[in-house]
Amino acid sequence: QSALTQPASVSGSPGQSITISCTGTSSDVGGYNSVSWYQQHPGKAPKLMIYDVSNRPSGVSNRFSGSKSGNTASLTISGLQAEDEADYYCSSYTASSTLDVLFGGGTKLTVL
Amino acid sequence: EVQLVQSGAEVKKPGESLKISCKGSGYSFNSYWIGWVRQLPGKGLEWMGIIYPGDSDTRYSPSFQGQVTISADKSISTAYLQWSSLKASDTAMYYCARYRITTGLDYWGQGTLVTVSS
Repeated sequence: QSALTQPASVSGSPGQSITISCTGTSSDVGGYNSVSWYQQHPGKAPKLMIYDVSNRPSGVSNRFSGSKSGNTASLTISGLQAEDEADYYCSSYTASSTLDVLFGGGTKLTVL
Repeated sequence: EVQLVQSGAEVKKPGESLKISCKGSGYSFNSYWIGWVRQLPGKGLEWMGIIYPGDSDTRYSPSFQGQVTISADKSISTAYLQWSSLKASDTAMYYCARYRITTGLDYWGQGTLVTVSS
């Protein structure tokens, strides 16, 4: 099963907003609301930023928001800060009988 | 406080076996799936498989089926990932994480770096 499709890189200036897309199929992103987003800084473990398409875990800044339309989910970061520079990965539950989770290929966010 | 603590870095030779661990604390270990994720050097996250410690129900990604074994010992709140014969291509960081369909991978271990080199 193919990974979810993310842009390899995005960039933005401090204070601006950026959006990262995550495209799948009706068997994963489009079929379930179980889409999550993870932030990973270099040398660190990933951190959950968004779950169930648009929910933020406790402690995650409200500058991070998620949405979904059809087979594409999106992560929006508003008011970009230098500390947001990291890799971002989406994931989705999938209906495959053997594979429960699909990851996207990851997006490198550069804060200019 | 929910914590997943993984075993330390390993350096092995091709053909050797290895078992790394992930110990959970601060929650009911038996009631949440534990997933394993591989990250090759400089690459993205790859889903390997999951186990439900309560009944040891285990599922593997097709890419890893037959290549690794996932297990758990609920009596000591620990999940394991093991190889019977390592290859150089197994060199990677391996993460465990708590998983639920509704909340994704909400807590992660710190990662275990496995290096396989002759």
